[in-house]
Amino acid sequence: RKEVEQDPGPFNVPEGATVAFNCTYSNSASQSFFWYRQDCRKEPKLLMSVYSSGNEDGRFTAQLNRASQYISLLIRDSKLSDSATYLCVVNTNTGNQFYFGTGTSLTVIP
Amino acid sequence: DADVTQTPRNRITKTGKRIMLECSQTKGHDRMYWYRQDPGLGLRLIYYSFDVKDINKGEISDGYSVSRQAQAKFSLSLESAIPNQTALYFCATSDSPPTQYFGPGTRLLVL
Repeated sequence: RKEVEQDPGPFNVPEGATVAFNCTYSNSASQSFFWYRQDCRKEPKLLMSVYSSGNEDGRFTAQLNRASQYISLLIRDSKLSDSATYLCVVNTNTGNQFYFGTGTSLTVIP
Repeated sequence: DADVTQTPRNRITKTGKRIMLECSQTKGHDRMYWYRQDPGLGLRLIYYSFDVKDINKGEISDGYSVSRQAQAKFSLSLESAIPNQTALYFCATSDSPPTQYFGPGTRLLVL
């Protein structure tokens, strides 16, 4: 079983739409959770950390459900510039390793 | 200037050749990582290091070796390259609390 699983998509949505991505992780002792964004042929960049109480950064909202071992990312009012691959990332309880989902592809259409 | 740099950015080599990919960082982080990315497989950890004297194998270390020459430098070597090592390679650093910062990547093609 993979450490982190994501729906690969692709998600094709019109500008202004709201889109949600989901991610599950297998290690119940995982401590830290992140969403990264990766543009085509570029390096992943941190979008936001995910906190237990949920957190918001502008149009982006991240949620964590430890009981279900589930992480989500909600993007409101999608922009063309949001088109990218979104990676779910989990850090182990020891902090030693990061586990990456395969990514969810988003294309925002004019 | 970029905080994490990788050289070369692109490399074409032949089967059996030895090559080295280099990574340097100016972030002052102790932890450094090497990943490879393949379509549909996501990023997979090759090796990681928590300081100059600490080297650890990751998920897919076979066929690779690393050297941590200094806090700021972490090199990845392919002793005898094979075609299935064709991939996009990323170096990353992290600090505490754990957040990873990636270099721009090296595209490697093994013929």
